[in-house]
Amino acid sequence: AQSVAQPEDQVNVAEGNPLTVKCTYSVSGNPYLFWYVQYPNRGLQFLLKYITGDNLVKGSYGFEAEFNKSQTSFHLKKPSALVSDSALYFCAVRDGWDSNYQLIWGAGTKLIIKP
Amino acid sequence: DAMVIQNPRYQVTQFGKPVTLSCSQTLNHNVMYWYQQKSSQAPKLLFHYYDKDFNNEADTPDNFQSRRPNTSFCFLDIRSPGLGDAAMYLCATSRDHTGDGYTFGSGTRLTVV
Repeated sequence: AQSVAQPEDQVNVAEGNPLTVKCTYSVSGNPYLFWYVQYPNRGLQFLLKYITGDNLVKGSYGFEAEFNKSQTSFHLKKPSALVSDSALYFCAVRDGWDSNYQLIWGAGTKLIIKP
Repeated sequence: DAMVIQNPRYQVTQFGKPVTLSCSQTLNHNVMYWYQQKSSQAPKLLFHYYDKDFNNEADTPDNFQSRRPNTSFCFLDIRSPGLGDAAMYLCATSRDHTGDGYTFGSGTRLTVV
């Protein structure tokens, strides 16, 4: 069965410091991995995805994520956090070999950037 | 810009009074999804359409129905809203079954009084 874990309910970072939001996954086949961000009372916005290719994926708003197959992780990172990055972040996965193409969502991590 | 639009942004309905939420898209995507999201939790898939094919999640209550009259529009009907149905309802689209991500609308916040 497919699953996604975001082990931290909340991450606190000072503005200007690097940030990491963790995500680990479990799929039996080929992982397709996604990060989305949600601002208050808004829908989810796509940040980046990994399907194949380079393990380091660059996305919107200066975010990047590194696919690590051996650790089954896809952590979201940013070198220098902004207060405006404060939001709810969701990791999602689907098995690219599975005909069930729906995304499996992590529980979300609330990111708080303090000035 | 191509996008997914949900109306209204905020909806207040009375307990037991049918309510319809709407979603439209200009992306010409094959797949449209309806999600329910409560209290900053992960979104929960209610059902989706691949073109005209309707796919219901096993645990979606019968109280929730959906219609997709054409490619651009999809509706969520709640036949008899209960207090527990108060939530953010998110519409999303995707081009097909491949690795494309989803495009979400801004959501409709439903309050049941």
